[in-house]
Amino acid sequence: TQLLEQSPQFLSIQEGENLTVYCNSSSVFSSLQWYRQEPGEGPVLLVTVVTGGEVKKLKRLTFQFGDARKDSSLHITAAQPGDTGLYLCAGHLYNTDKLIFGTGTRLQVFP
Amino acid sequence: NAGVTQTPKFRILKIGQSMTLQCAQDMNHNYMYWYRQDPGMGLKLIYYSVGAGITDKGEVPNGYNVSRSTTEDFPLRLELAAPSQTSVYFCASSFHDSSSGNTIYFGEGSWLTVV
Repeated sequence: TQLLEQSPQFLSIQEGENLTVYCNSSSVFSSLQWYRQEPGEGPVLLVTVVTGGEVKKLKRLTFQFGDARKDSSLHITAAQPGDTGLYLCAGHLYNTDKLIFGTGTRLQVFP
Repeated sequence: NAGVTQTPKFRILKIGQSMTLQCAQDMNHNYMYWYRQDPGMGLKLIYYSVGAGITDKGEVPNGYNVSRSTTEDFPLRLELAAPSQTSVYFCASSFHDSSSGNTIYFGEGSWLTVV
């Protein structure tokens, strides 16, 4: 059983397109993070959201934490080839110390 | 700045062999984690520790053991290696208190193949 499900699993788009990646769970999280991972390297933190309904923007990336703190989304505007990578959501389960990762979304942006 | 250091980076094991993946952090972090990542997938939590002398099971603990005798070190032991344990292993650490955020720092990964 996977606590954090991401969709889509794979995404292949042209440069300039917009996209949204979803991270869903039936469990509540005290905070949720998004990471990007390049081949052969460890994940790199992009953002942390902690309040239900919170929206954070990082240049062309917009992150939202669901009101009930069970889901999150990552929206990329005008994708660029440099955005290519594996995107991972991760959450601290409410009232635990466990940091659980999602199933991952592999994004490929073609020039 | 060493951060989180994992050794070895690559290892090939025969079925039934044992080995220990070493992990050390020099940031005085209280929390440490071990994850495994299969190709193209997310990370799965094996074990974690919230401080020296305390360890807890994660999502996939079977076939592994850990210890946390010091704040700095969090070794992961495979007792009887199986092909299903072929994976990339990441150690991570973070500092938790009631006021700070919890940025996770990852090691560079250990590639393990069991044949």
